[in-house]
Amino acid sequence: EDQVTQSPEALRLQEGESSSLNCSYTVSGLRGLFWYRQDPGKGPEFLFTLYSAGEEKEKERLKATLTKKESFLHITAPKPEDSATYLCAVQAGSGGGADGLTFGKGTHLIIQP
Amino acid sequence: DAGVTQSPTHLIKTRGQQVTLRCSPKSGHDTVSWYQQALGQGPQFIFQYYEEEERQRGNFPDRFSGHQFPNYSSELNVNALLLGDSALYLCASSFGGGPTGNTIYFGEGSWLTVV
Repeated sequence: EDQVTQSPEALRLQEGESSSLNCSYTVSGLRGLFWYRQDPGKGPEFLFTLYSAGEEKEKERLKATLTKKESFLHITAPKPEDSATYLCAVQAGSGGGADGLTFGKGTHLIIQP
Repeated sequence: DAGVTQSPTHLIKTRGQQVTLRCSPKSGHDTVSWYQQALGQGPQFIFQYYEEEERQRGNFPDRFSGHQFPNYSSELNVNALLLGDSALYLCASSFGGGPTGNTIYFGEGSWLTVV
């Protein structure tokens, strides 16, 4: 059974204080690892898809990295508007179709001015 | 370019009733998946539709059913509603679902409250 564990559950940072969120996973045949941002009462907003170990992707103050067992979302010099819940998900696949995503519970990030 | 659209935004139903939620995928996408998200939890995969057929299903009972139309839009139906079905229901769309990974986009969701 595919599993995703995110840590910490919650993180409070000062504006400008860089940090990293962790996503550990076990999956049979990783097809892709996804990061999403979710604001309260809203649907998840797509950030990144990583496909293989060693891959890195960046977007503004966010950088996602992937190893064979975990992924990190690095947040550099965050601003209050980066406050949100960050969700990690894996997509498995052993055949020709794309499987549904298995999500972690998310990390609730608060950036204080 | 319209993203994934869902309706209704909010609804309240009584235990035992039936509900239908609707989703239009992002332009150019042909695959629709449905997820249930309880408060404080990550989304849970319900099922996926491709070429008007259910292609994959998560661990949800048969009370949850769906349909995909020729224009790729989709419906989620839940029968015999339980209090525990109260959640945010999310629709996600992607293209093709072939061997390589996809960029998967979510709608804003439909909030269902069962009383």
